[in-house]
Amino acid sequence: AQSVTQLGSHVSVSEGALVLLRCNYSSSVPPYLFWYVQYPNQGLQLLLKYTSAATLVKGINGFEAEFKKSETSFHLTKPSAHMSDAAEYFCAVRRMDSSYKLIFGSGTRLLVRP
Amino acid sequence: ETGVTQTPRHLVMGMTNKKSLKCEQHLGHNAMYWYKQSAKKPLELMFVYSLEERVENNSVPSRFSPECPNSSHLFLHLHTLQPEDSALYLCASSQEGQGDNSPLHFGNGTRLTVT
Repeated sequence: AQSVTQLGSHVSVSEGALVLLRCNYSSSVPPYLFWYVQYPNQGLQLLLKYTSAATLVKGINGFEAEFKKSETSFHLTKPSAHMSDAAEYFCAVRRMDSSYKLIFGSGTRLLVRP
Repeated sequence: ETGVTQTPRHLVMGMTNKKSLKCEQHLGHNAMYWYKQSAKKPLELMFVYSLEERVENNSVPSRFSPECPNSSHLFLHLHTLQPEDSALYLCASSQEGQGDNSPLHFGNGTRLTVT
């Protein structure tokens, strides 16, 4: 079975500070991994995806994530938080051996303090 | 219009009503999905259609009935819902079968309140 765990339902940072949102996955086969962002009253928007081409993945809005197989992690980072980054962030995993199932984590709400 | 469009954005219905949620994708994708997003719970996959055939049905109650008349349109027919069905219903689409794992593209959802 595959699953994702997002540590921390809420993360609060000051504007300009480093953003680190944690995601750990479990999968019996190599996974595809994704980060999505959801702004209030909107659907989910893809931030970035890992597809085994490179372990460090760059996404939109200055975010990036690093795939670490030894730690089964895919943490999301941004060097300097902006007020507009306040949103909910979801990590998701999908098996490479074909499946329509994208399994989402429970989400982390990012708060950015002025 | 581009992307994935869902209508209506908000819906309030009584438990005895019948209503339908509509989703349309303008991306040329061949798979469409319904997800349910409830407060304090992970997103739940409800249904998946690939090339207009249902390929996933995750033990969803029969009061939810999906319909996919073509690859661009997806409906969710609602009948005799319960208050616990109140949630944000998200539609998504993707392009499957090309050897790469294409991401899902989501609509903005329909906020459903069952009274």
